[in-house]
Amino acid sequence: AQRVTQPEKLLSVFKGAPVELKCNYSYSGSPELFWYVQYSRQRLQLLLRHISRESIKGFTADLNKGETSFHLKKPFAQEEDSAMYYCALFSGGYNKLIFGAGTRLAVHP
Amino acid sequence: GAGVSQTPSNKVTEKGKYVELRCDPISGHTALYWYRQSLGQGPEFLIYFQGTGAADDSGLPNDRFFAVRPEGSVSTLKIQRTERGDSAVYLCASSPMEASGRVGKFFGPGTRLTVL
Repeated sequence: AQRVTQPEKLLSVFKGAPVELKCNYSYSGSPELFWYVQYSRQRLQLLLRHISRESIKGFTADLNKGETSFHLKKPFAQEEDSAMYYCALFSGGYNKLIFGAGTRLAVHP
Repeated sequence: GAGVSQTPSNKVTEKGKYVELRCDPISGHTALYWYRQSLGQGPEFLIYFQGTGAADDSGLPNDRFFAVRPEGSVSTLKIQRTERGDSAVYLCASSPMEASGRVGKFFGPGTRLTVL
């Protein structure tokens, strides 16, 4: 079964601390994974895609097929990073995204 | 340019009533998706349109839910005989091409549906 698991509902850190938002997936084929972010009172928006190997707003995510993980990391959290973060798996031929339940990141001053 | 828009932003209805939720995708986007997000959950796929046709409606929970996109742009999600369990935020997203997973989807602000 195709599934995305985000084990933490809330991650609370202080400004300047490292952040790691966990994401594990279950998928039989070659996965394509995304991180979406939703800031307060804003719409859901794409943060980054694993195929692009990009760093957006200081965030990176590496696909680890052995551990079936796609954790989102940032070395130094900023208060403006506070938001809901959703990990999503592209379901290939069915052209849909399968989302995790999300993790709320709270960065305190 | 304008992003995906959805109307209404909020809809409160009574159990048993019929509701329509509208989505205006980004101009030129051929792929359109509806998702439902219940409290404390991530978005859950409902239906995918490529042009005017529903290419995948496997996420619609039952036959009370129906969606159309008659001219390949605006889409309407229709819910008959609403139930309290239908209360959720309904999200619409669009993408510029069929292989849109690779370019990501652009989401609308959502319609919050509350069934009393």
